[in-house]
Amino acid sequence: DQQVKQNSPSLSVQEGRISILNCDYTNSMFDYFLWYKKYPAEGPTFLISISSIKDKNEDGRFTVFLNKSAKHLSLHIVPSQPGDSAVYFCAASPLNNNDMRFGAGTRLTVKP
Amino acid sequence: DAGVTQSPTHLIKTRGQQVTLRCSPKSGHDTVSWYQQALGQGPQFIFQYYEEEERQRGNFPDRFSGHQFPNYSSELNVNALLLGDSALYLCASSLWGSQETQYFGPGTRLLVL
Repeated sequence: DQQVKQNSPSLSVQEGRISILNCDYTNSMFDYFLWYKKYPAEGPTFLISISSIKDKNEDGRFTVFLNKSAKHLSLHIVPSQPGDSAVYFCAASPLNNNDMRFGAGTRLTVKP
Repeated sequence: DAGVTQSPTHLIKTRGQQVTLRCSPKSGHDTVSWYQQALGQGPQFIFQYYEEEERQRGNFPDRFSGHQFPNYSSELNVNALLLGDSALYLCASSLWGSQETQYFGPGTRLLVL
């Protein structure tokens, strides 16, 4: 069951521009949302998270926006850098529940 | 700090066989979770171990079992392998109760022929 969907398998942006990665979910019980970044031959690395009591969380160049009514979240990377090129996974779970559901990932390529 | 380590890196088995995958958590972590990542998909939660007990389980059959040792390391066992079990198996360690501090290992790639 695809409770978390990332509908864009790939995204290509120019260095210095904004990257916007999108994620949709179907389960209204999800309260906690995370973004992971994955380089080849490495495990996913935690990037940023947001709980349902917020609609925005910012960490340096990375900002996650949550629209609960639309069951949609997005990750903004500004400005994008070539080192940001990786696969980005969106994940969601009910709060304090470890059964996280992941999207299929979006491959971001940042061109110099 | 070596982070999360997994062994072996790659494995080839035939249908019906059994396999054991191993994971050593990041230093200081007491909780281990296992995920299956099929090609082109995101990781799927298999189960989580804390204090040597399975604490939560995803939607996987009983053929998937695990163990956690007193030193917090963990094993994932899969019996009666099916072709569909071919995937990357990821181990993640964390502190109990903290989803954010979950660190993933590089995974074990299992191919079932």
